[in-house]
Amino acid sequence: AQSVTQLDSHVSVSEGTPVLLRCNYSSSYSPSLFWYVQHPNKGLQLLLKYTSAATLVKGINGFEAEFKKSETSFHLTKPSAHMSDAAEYFCVVSDRSDMRFGAGTRLTVKP
Amino acid sequence: EAGVVQSPRYKIIEKKQPVAFWCNPISGHNTLYWYLQNLGQGPELLIRYENEEAVDDSQLPKDRFSAERLKGVDSTLKIQPAELGDSAVYLCASSSVPAGLRGELFFGEGSRLTVL
Repeated sequence: AQSVTQLDSHVSVSEGTPVLLRCNYSSSYSPSLFWYVQHPNKGLQLLLKYTSAATLVKGINGFEAEFKKSETSFHLTKPSAHMSDAAEYFCVVSDRSDMRFGAGTRLTVKP
Repeated sequence: EAGVVQSPRYKIIEKKQPVAFWCNPISGHNTLYWYLQNLGQGPELLIRYENEEAVDDSQLPKDRFSAERLKGVDSTLKIQPAELGDSAVYLCASSSVPAGLRGELFFGEGSRLTVL
């Protein structure tokens, strides 16, 4: 069985400051891990994915995430938040044929 | 290239009425998913198709929910009769590889159902 826990339901940052969205996972196999973003009334879009290659993964819009097996974590970061980053972010764990989504973290960016 | 298309975007019905959602995946994508997203929660898989075959429908409430993908392209998800608790967003996604190969999912914008 596998699961994913997003540690914060809501994160608020000021524009230009760093973003950290935390994700921990549990998996019986070597998992693939993803971050998806969902803007209001839009479909989910892939930000980045880890599939057992480099542990530091770079995605779109300046986001990156680091896979840490010892900590079973896959936290999402961005050095400088932009107003357009305000959205819901989902961490996803996948092994074999099963994909599990976290409950989501809502990111608010203040001017 | 067109993305995943879903319709209707919004639907309001009274309880006990039927409702149907339609999804057209990205051309060439053999794997199609229907997800349920309740407010404040992540998507939960309802059913997954590989071509026209439903390979995972273990989470589909079969007493009132049904789905089909007759020609392995577009798909319909039906609820009959709808209950108040079915109010949610129904997401369709498609992928060019089977889920076991851990490919990217492409999502539609969803169909938001409100049951009164």
